[in-house]
Amino acid sequence: NAGVTQTPKFQVLKTGQSMTLQCAQDMNHNSMYWYRQDPGMGLRLIYYSASEGTTDKGEVPNGYNVSRLNKREFSLRLESAAPSQTSVYFCASSVDRGFYGYTFGSGTRLTVV
Amino acid sequence: GQSLEQPSEVTAVEGAIVQINCTYQTSGFYGLSWYQQHDGGAPTFLSYNALDGLEETGRFSSFLSRSDSYGYLLLQELQMKDSASYFCAVRDESPADSWGKLQFGAGTQVVVTP
Repeated sequence: NAGVTQTPKFQVLKTGQSMTLQCAQDMNHNSMYWYRQDPGMGLRLIYYSASEGTTDKGEVPNGYNVSRLNKREFSLRLESAAPSQTSVYFCASSVDRGFYGYTFGSGTRLTVV
Repeated sequence: GQSLEQPSEVTAVEGAIVQINCTYQTSGFYGLSWYQQHDGGAPTFLSYNALDGLEETGRFSSFLSRSDSYGYLLLQELQMKDSASYFCAVRDESPADSWGKLQFGAGTQVVVTP
């Protein structure tokens, strides 16, 4: 089983460019999440999708949009990248509310210059 | 709102025991989780405590005291491979947010020396 697959693994963008981070899970999980991780700040929630067809803002949604394409896929879009969005982005999924753990993807390391 | 406090770094020698404390403030509470993350890797789930007391899983144990808003992760018989960051996470649920998403602490870097 692949678990949670994120693409790309690395990306360098110029300020103002746009891109979409892809995430897919094969565990039949209902809920999916996008987090960003910055040094010394832990993981901060950007957006989440409690179930197929729903999305909600997390702690730091500004500058991002998401799409829950189907039960398996949850994408994160940066419309106009800024240097402050340089970070490591993790996608995660869980069975419902995830009391028994989230499964994370391997991350996307994004640099905006 | 909510906050989680955990030490930034702990250093110990192989074979030793390390305790990582986590204190939290939340508007609601549904349990405390712990995750491990090696450098360059993804966080992986270690444990979840919903009720007071100690949960043991091999060399790792996790404890929760709801009355003290406090928990800890205990790493026993430390091995070099335990060098990683450890995050506590709280599921907060409130009338304004019935889904109860996970919020993570800033993480504790555990350094194991020979």
